[in-house]
Amino acid sequence: VQLVQSGVAVKKPGESLKISCKASGYTFANYWIAWVRQMPGSGLEWMGIIAPRDSDTRYGPSFQGQVTISVDKSLTTAYLQWDTLKASDTAMYYCARPRSELGVDGFDIWGQGTVVTVSS
Amino acid sequence: DIQMTQSPSSLSASVGDKVTITCQASQDISDFLNWYQQKPGKAPKLLIFEASNLEVGVSSRFSGSGSGTHFILTINSLQPDDSATYFCQQFENLPFSFGPGTKVEIK
Repeated sequence: VQLVQSGVAVKKPGESLKISCKASGYTFANYWIAWVRQMPGSGLEWMGIIAPRDSDTRYGPSFQGQVTISVDKSLTTAYLQWDTLKASDTAMYYCARPRSELGVDGFDIWGQGTVVTVSS
Repeated sequence: DIQMTQSPSSLSASVGDKVTITCQASQDISDFLNWYQQKPGKAPKLLIFEASNLEVGVSSRFSGSGSGTHFILTINSLQPDDSATYFCQQFENLPFSFGPGTKVEIK
């Protein structure tokens, strides 16, 4: 069971970006996938969560309207997307999966993280 | 939204010491509380789920307790490998907020 994230992204302000989280080793449709932001030198921030079986998506209030979370079930991949990047989006982004099938409890499977740098 | 606080923000202890970290929720979250360990440049690692359940493969030196709004993570017999930042997380209500973290250093 693993989540493998896409590589480092270096972008300019105003550009768009879509990072990915490829799941393997389990039934993708049966487990929620969450995204978590960690800005340099800071703590963990909950961005949102998606249910791959029906794409039911819930965003944290700070991230609603700022990012889009989606999945492609055929590729067993979750995505985090920005239409217009800002310098303040510079951070490490993690995807994570909970322990329980069809529910949410402790997140025991994490991707390795994707570094996003936004700079002019 | 539920706010999570942790204390202390950092601590320094010796090998073999017992360490306790406190996490407080702004409202009753029953036992919907997780603890994670994070080392620099690495993804968080689940230690404790549902306040007191030890994740498979995690050392029994780690234990969690509490319910409602007040929770404790205890590390018995602190080891050099325990040097890390520890985060609590509530999953009673979305968004599943994290505490600000407690950095544990070894003297």
